[in-house]
Amino acid sequence: AQSVTQLDSQVPVFEEAPVELRCNYSSSVSVYLFWYVQYPNQGLQLLLKYLSGSTLVESINGFEAEFNKSQTSFHLRKPSVHISDTAEYFCAVSGGGAGGTSYGKLTFGQGTILTVHP
Amino acid sequence: DAGVTQSPTHLIKTRGQQVTLRCSPKSGHDTVSWYQQALGQGPQFIFQYYEEEERQRGNFPDRFSGHQFPNYSSELNVNALLLGDSALYLCASSLTGRGTQYFGPGTRLTVL
Repeated sequence: AQSVTQLDSQVPVFEEAPVELRCNYSSSVSVYLFWYVQYPNQGLQLLLKYLSGSTLVESINGFEAEFNKSQTSFHLRKPSVHISDTAEYFCAVSGGGAGGTSYGKLTFGQGTILTVHP
Repeated sequence: DAGVTQSPTHLIKTRGQQVTLRCSPKSGHDTVSWYQQALGQGPQFIFQYYEEEERQRGNFPDRFSGHQFPNYSSELNVNALLLGDSALYLCASSLTGRGTQYFGPGTRLTVL
């Protein structure tokens, strides 16, 4: 079975400060890792993903995450946050799906609410 | 290119009733997954449909059932609604062999 732990339920920061949202996972198989963002009263938007290759992945809006297999972590970072980054962030893990057809179900963490103050 | 769409946006039901939620996948996607997100929680996997069959199921009772149509759209049905079924229901679509799931805006179900 897979599980995801997001170590901080809430992270308050000031605008232009750096931020790190922590995510640890457990799995007995190879995993694929994702960060999704959810704005109030909306669905989930894919922020970035690690499937294979380079362990450092980046999003188009300045976030990055590094897959660390030995630490079983996939922490999300941004060097300078904006007010518009205020949202809830979910880390998710997926293993290979049955029959090699899909990556199967996503297992999510409990979420981290990032609040950026002016 | 239309993304994942869901209907209705909001729904209010009373205990014991039945509800049907609908999802149209992103263009070109053939796999639909459903998730339940209770207030303040992360989404929980309900089930996944591929080729009109339920391929994988999470830890949800049989009151939760689904269907996938030949055009890949999907329905989630919940019978005998309980207060605890109040949640945001999210649909996600993906392309077989690619795996990344893209989510719709969700349906907010309130059970009174």
